[in-house]
Amino acid sequence: DTEVTQTPKHLVMGMTNKKSLKCEQHMGHRAMYWYKQKAKKPPELMFVYSYEKLSINESVPSRFSPECPNSSLLNLHLHALQPEDSALYLCATGTGGINEQFFGPGTRLTVL
Amino acid sequence: GENVEQHPSTLSVQEGDSAVIKCTYSDSASNYFPWYKQELGKGPQLIIDIRSNVGEKKDQRIAVTLNKTAKHFSLHITETQPEDSAVYFCAAMFTDKLIFGTGTRLQVFP
Repeated sequence: DTEVTQTPKHLVMGMTNKKSLKCEQHMGHRAMYWYKQKAKKPPELMFVYSYEKLSINESVPSRFSPECPNSSLLNLHLHALQPEDSALYLCATGTGGINEQFFGPGTRLTVL
Repeated sequence: GENVEQHPSTLSVQEGDSAVIKCTYSDSASNYFPWYKQELGKGPQLIIDIRSNVGEKKDQRIAVTLNKTAKHFSLHITETQPEDSAVYFCAAMFTDKLIFGTGTRLQVFP
């Protein structure tokens, strides 16, 4: 069983809505990641946090805003999304650097 | 740029047979290669990984081999079972970013 939890499991939102995705880990990992996965495609990296500081932003549009309030929590704030942003959003954690990453179950997002 | 190619895209085997999935990567500096299994409606699950100072690694019915010279690595599943049916992704670490292959849908028929 995964020790990375994500809420909500499913989310449907309109293009004018503001919503947030949440990720929580209890493995003491210092690195936390957001990935986006479209149907039948591999995960694509969006953001990396290391020691609660943003270290990588893969040129993600500003309508996606990450936040790491503490070492156990990672949020992804969503605003003014487009239908093409509909995807599975995955959180992952790890010890950082060239080491394992462990994924949560994901949030299935639909933008209408 | 960084790239990981994965083949085949689909693989169907009879229960008890072996399955092999192959990947190639572009950056010779890559030194960490994990494999993930993703079942329908779930996140990717790390099943095995290998580092560049090792040529082969086994864990029960699964094994991974790495040929650094050729920039190839492969996943081998022996004695396949229906519960092995899933999408499998290889990945390579480029600096501190994981780049995934395109995935292989494995179906194991009873």
